[in-house]
Amino acid sequence: IAGITQAPTSQILAAGRRMTLRCTQDMRHNAMYWYRQDLGLGLRLIHYSNTAGTTGKGEVPDGYSVSRANTDDFPLTLASAVPSQTSVYFCASSDPPGELFFGEGSRLTVL
Amino acid sequence: AQSVTQPDIHITVSEGASLELRCNYSYGATPYLFWYVQSPGQGLQLLLKYFSGDTLVQGIKGFEAEFKRSQSSFNLRKPSVHWSDAAEYFCAVEGTYKYIFGTGTRLKVLA
Repeated sequence: IAGITQAPTSQILAAGRRMTLRCTQDMRHNAMYWYRQDLGLGLRLIHYSNTAGTTGKGEVPDGYSVSRANTDDFPLTLASAVPSQTSVYFCASSDPPGELFFGEGSRLTVL
Repeated sequence: AQSVTQPDIHITVSEGASLELRCNYSYGATPYLFWYVQSPGQGLQLLLKYFSGDTLVQGIKGFEAEFKRSQSSFNLRKPSVHWSDAAEYFCAVEGTYKYIFGTGTRLKVLA
């Protein structure tokens, strides 16, 4: 089934550790996105990529980095995790301005 | 930059009653507007979208939404709510290849 695969599904991480959340899509969409979802704050855009080789900052980019080496993969890296990065992270893809397709999410807890 | 406001954090309705969820957007150009639904512990599913043309759009599960440019609104409606509609609903606007979401409205349905 075509779609977006995120890994890991869930992770507990010590503060200060480095963590990479993986995201792969098989729909050949040009654009990919990372959001974090927090209670009462909805989904906030962290970083996005309009096409392979380009990335951009969203609403809450600090503490996160991304890369887009090819069309299918869009990993999100926390270089040194902090407790405020405890959240549910969703990867998504689209051919704008079309429908945004979401992964199932990655629940990250930073202690 | 675009933004979305969902003024109602929680809404409770009785099963069979009508429903309206409010969404106001801010965007300088013609907006592309979306409503998504998220059931507990799940990812996000598209309910409907507005790109152009008829300002009343029909979606899945019996939902509809009306685009009103003069009010910068895109309210979601359903004539008769079912218990399975209990979920969180997000309005979103796409502009310059970025999708920005509101903070969501959590719907509770009373039997």
